[in-house]
Amino acid sequence: DAEITQSPRHKITETGRQVTLACHQTWNHNNMFWYRQDLGHGLRLIHYSYGVQDTNKGEVSDGYSVSRSNTEDLPLTLESAASSQTSVYFCASSAGYDNEQFFGPGTRLTVL
Amino acid sequence: GDSVTQMEGPVTLSEEAFLTINCTYTATGYPSLFWYVQYPGEGLQLLLKATKADDKGSNKGFEATYRKETTSFHLEKGSVQVSDSAVYFCALTQGGSEKLVFGKGTKLTVNP
Repeated sequence: DAEITQSPRHKITETGRQVTLACHQTWNHNNMFWYRQDLGHGLRLIHYSYGVQDTNKGEVSDGYSVSRSNTEDLPLTLESAASSQTSVYFCASSAGYDNEQFFGPGTRLTVL
Repeated sequence: GDSVTQMEGPVTLSEEAFLTINCTYTATGYPSLFWYVQYPGEGLQLLLKATKADDKGSNKGFEATYRKETTSFHLEKGSVQVSDSAVYFCALTQGGSEKLVFGKGTKLTVNP
C-alpha cells in the first residue's frame, strides 16, 4: 500500500545545530508540504513543492529550507536550530487541485 | 489573507450526544472547505470536504454544509462515540491553490 513516512519520529537537538527531517511518499504525488503544529496555532505551512525542482515558501519559512530532487522525497532542513523551532512537524502530499492531502505520522522535535 | 476560525475547545460530551463544532472562514473568491481529524499520536486524515456553496460533505456519520451566505462549515454528528475522541480541524484551500489554511483545532473528548 502507498504511504507517507517521516523520520525520525522523535529528535532532540541543541541550539545552533543543523537538523534534517525526512519525508518520503510512495503515492507518486506531485505536491508535498511541510507543516508545524503548535498548541494554540493549529497547523502552519512552512514550505511546499508542486514538483521536482520546485519549492515555495509558506507562512512560517524563516529558518527552514527544503529541496526536491525527486518525486518521493522532500527533506526539511533547519539550518541552525532555535528553541522556537521546538514543535511537531508534519509532512503531507496530494495528487492535485482539491485532492485530499495525506499526512505522515509526524516528527516531534525538541531544541534545547 | 484567508483565515479559518473554529470554536475553542476542549469539548466534552457523553456517548450518544449530539455534536456541533462551529467553523467560519474569511476568504476571497470561492474556497474549498475541509474537515480533518487527528487521533491521538497520529497525523491528520481527511474527514469530509465540500467544494462549492450548498454542497454537503459527509463521512462516518459526520456532516458539514458549505454555507456561502454565512461563510460557515459547521461539523455535526447526531450521536458521538468514544472512538470519535480526537482533534478536529477545519481548513480551506483557495481556488487554484493546493495550500491548506487551518483553524486552530478543537479537541473532542467523548466519555462512556
